[in-house]
Amino acid sequence: QKEVEQNSGPLSVPEGAIASLNCTYSDRVSQSFFWYRQYSGKSPELIMSIYSNGDKEDGRFTAQLNKASQYVSLLIRDSQPSDSATYLCAVRGFGNEKLTFGTGTRLTIIP
Amino acid sequence: GAGVSQSPSNKVTEKGKDVELRCDPISGHTALYWYRQRLGQGLEFLIYFQGNSAPDKSGLPSDRFSAERTGESVSTLTIQRTQQEDSAVYLCASSLMSSFEQYFGPGTRLTVT
Repeated sequence: QKEVEQNSGPLSVPEGAIASLNCTYSDRVSQSFFWYRQYSGKSPELIMSIYSNGDKEDGRFTAQLNKASQYVSLLIRDSQPSDSATYLCAVRGFGNEKLTFGTGTRLTIIP
Repeated sequence: GAGVSQSPSNKVTEKGKDVELRCDPISGHTALYWYRQRLGQGLEFLIYFQGNSAPDKSGLPSDRFSAERTGESVSTLTIQRTQQEDSAVYLCASSLMSSFEQYFGPGTRLTVT
């Protein structure tokens, strides 16, 4: 079982709709969770970090964490074509100073 | 402030040659990471530096790969006797230990011919 799992996609969402990206992790005592956006040919860019159960909102982005279910998600409201990218989920385990990255979900926003 | 910088942005080398890649972290970031990303693939962890502690080299794929960091500043990743399978984008990231949020540089695209 992979430590951090994401559906590779592609996930296609109409412009203006909500895009929902999901990530599950295997280490039950993971501490910190991150979402990165990576445009084709570019390096990953940090979008959100979340550390406790519940929702965290930043503009059109909402990160949701459920530690009991070992599940973290990213919602993008009012999706724009510029949101088309690969989204990487990253997790830090307890006592670990490194992040484990998922392989990413490719998101396409259809105008 | 300035982000993570990497040089060169592109490097083409012949098989068997040595290459050196440079990373300049964000000022004040004590942690520095190197990753490799092959075309269409995920991030592959290579090595991690934290302050003056011994580096975590657990991701280095072979003894042809090595890295150094001077204090909490610049790091260099060296690949000796390059092979075609070394062709990839090499990414550097830095972070504060208080947040573990990693910020990536633009990467070095290495092509081994």
